[in-house]
Amino acid sequence: AQKITQTQPGMFVQEKEAVTLDCTYDTSDQSYGLFWYKQPSSGEMIFLIYQGSYDEQNATEGRYSLNFQKARKSANLVISASQLGDSAMYFCAMREGGGSQGNLIFGKGTKLSVKP
Amino acid sequence: DVKVTQSSRYLVKRTGEKVFLECVQDMDHENMFWYRQDPGLGLRLIYFSYDVKMKEKGDIPEGYSVSREKKERFSLILESASTNQTSMYLCASSGAYQPQHFGDGTRLSIL
Repeated sequence: AQKITQTQPGMFVQEKEAVTLDCTYDTSDQSYGLFWYKQPSSGEMIFLIYQGSYDEQNATEGRYSLNFQKARKSANLVISASQLGDSAMYFCAMREGGGSQGNLIFGKGTKLSVKP
Repeated sequence: DVKVTQSSRYLVKRTGEKVFLECVQDMDHENMFWYRQDPGLGLRLIYFSYDVKMKEKGDIPEGYSVSREKKERFSLILESASTNQTSMYLCASSGAYQPQHFGDGTRLSIL
């Protein structure tokens, strides 16, 4: 079974509007971390935002926020006021366990296209 | 800012060649990782290392080896390149409890 599921292969959003990218995860660990990365067409993976399983507040970083619903095992990324430069692939990832190392498990990604 | 540098953005090699992909990070990170990325399959972990001279197999290590002689450098080696190893290769590093930071990637074509 997939540990990270991103159900939206592709999405469109109008410039300046908000968009939510879905991510659900599956783990039996109590301690874990959730990450979102952006990959433009140039190929580099850019870290956006992190949420720890024990964090009580939803993480925010500028125009990015993470809607963390622990009971539903979802960690959706919300991008406010979309810009043309937000067009990219977006990957949700999970690090299981409370250790300092921990490998990431990635979802298959969502391709976001921002329309002018 | 964290800087992870991969030696080549694009590389073309021939079947059977021994191929070296180099990755250097400048943040004294303990952890380093090699992934390959293929359409529809996402990122898959090849090898990782938590310390100098230490390596662990990831999900798809077959046909690859790695070397970490210095903390800042993590090399991926294709012992005898094959066409099914044509892919995008991404290196990442992280400190303890920190997010992974990635290099720009190497698009490798094996002819």
